[in-house]
Amino acid sequence: ILNVEQSPQSLHVQEGDSTNFTCSFPSSNFYALHWYRWETAKSPEALFVMTLNGDEKKKGRISATLNTKEGYSYLYIKGSQPEDSATYLCAHDNAGNMLTFGGGTRLMVKP
Amino acid sequence: DVKVTQSSRYLVKRTGEKVFLECVQDMDHENMFWYRQDPGLGLRLIYFSYDVKMKEKGDIPEGYSVSREKKERFSLILESASTNQTSMYLCASSRGYNEQFFGPGTRLTVL
Repeated sequence: ILNVEQSPQSLHVQEGDSTNFTCSFPSSNFYALHWYRWETAKSPEALFVMTLNGDEKKKGRISATLNTKEGYSYLYIKGSQPEDSATYLCAHDNAGNMLTFGGGTRLMVKP
Repeated sequence: DVKVTQSSRYLVKRTGEKVFLECVQDMDHENMFWYRQDPGLGLRLIYFSYDVKMKEKGDIPEGYSVSREKKERFSLILESASTNQTSMYLCASSRGYNEQFFGPGTRLTVL
């Protein structure tokens, strides 16, 4: 049983749509929340590492927010493109440097 | 360009064989990790090493051992491979509590 939950499990959107997914994690013993993007046939790549409650980070069209008190993070993609198609993973670090990953959200963007 | 390499992309072994999976990183990172990825279960940590000759068990260490004789190399050993160890194995490295850099993965099939 994963105590880091991601929803939805999969998502199909049209090119140009904006979308968001959720990661929920235990709010106790929190050190950091990681987001990774994993494209098919490639290695997972880090998007963000977030540590502060209320933190918001942005990289191009992708942004993320963090609420450590209630234990959730949102990832937003503005104007989805086919190259955004990937599995998006979040991972909770409780300060042991050992990440607990969620099951991922698989995003497919149709041209 | 940072790089984490794994010795094989695909590997087929027989039940009972001893299997070595090698991982090398060129970033002088002190932390190295071995994960396995199975459908619906996310990435699960097998072992973690924070320094040469140091190791910590992750969530699913049973049936595995590791070796870290040099800082850049972290080996995962399956002493006697079993069919339930058929999986995708990913190695990663990091500095401190920062983002992890992943290798391309080894898809292991145990017959």
